[in-house]
Amino acid sequence: ELHLLESGGGLVQPGGSLRLSCAASGFTFSIYAMSWVRQAPGKGLEWVSAISGSGGSTYYADSVRGRFTISRDNSNNTLYLQMDRLRGEDTAVYYCAKLGGTAQLYFDHWGQGTLLTVSS
Amino acid sequence: DTQMTQSPSTLSASVGDRVTITCRASQSINSWLAWYQQKAGKAPQPLMYKASNLESGVSSRFSGSRSGTEFTLTISSLQPDDSGTYYCQQYNTYPWTFGQGTKVEIK
Repeated sequence: ELHLLESGGGLVQPGGSLRLSCAASGFTFSIYAMSWVRQAPGKGLEWVSAISGSGGSTYYADSVRGRFTISRDNSNNTLYLQMDRLRGEDTAVYYCAKLGGTAQLYFDHWGQGTLLTVSS
Repeated sequence: DTQMTQSPSTLSASVGDRVTITCRASQSINSWLAWYQQKAGKAPQPLMYKASNLESGVSSRFSGSRSGTEFTLTISSLQPDDSGTYYCQQYNTYPWTFGQGTKVEIK
């Protein structure tokens, strides 16, 4: 069974850093692009970042470009999101999501999410 | 960026009703559109992809269609378990963008 499990969320002060992890299982991780999507409390969904299966291509929303870095370790089936220079508006539940196959780049599986709170 | 405008924002309907949610893209996205259902406190779950393709395991009461840059999600006969918030999302171009969501309530 396919499973995505995020971890690493917590309380961080503005300007601080944090790294989220997403442990994947139940599928051939290295074949699929992966992504992070976030949801601020009481708000809608916002795409954050995506990475190709090989890790050679990365993509970011303007709101996080230059502050967040997506990466993956295909030998350990893990996706990461390094978040630096955090702001209050980064407070959200962060979901790890698997993308569908070739040309079907929608989010076909989601993790349960991990909460990041940026506050002093 | 491609803006996705969903309507209505909220919807209240009775069990058995036919329900339609609309999503309009600010520019052409071809058929690269997905629909998701999110229940309170849970992760979103995919319903449709490429505008009109039903995700595996999803009830056939759900259907999707496209007319130019306007996309529709239809629930043919609303059931109690269909309550939640529905989002459209375009994956034609980066940045991928979501509609603002439609909250569906059962009367």
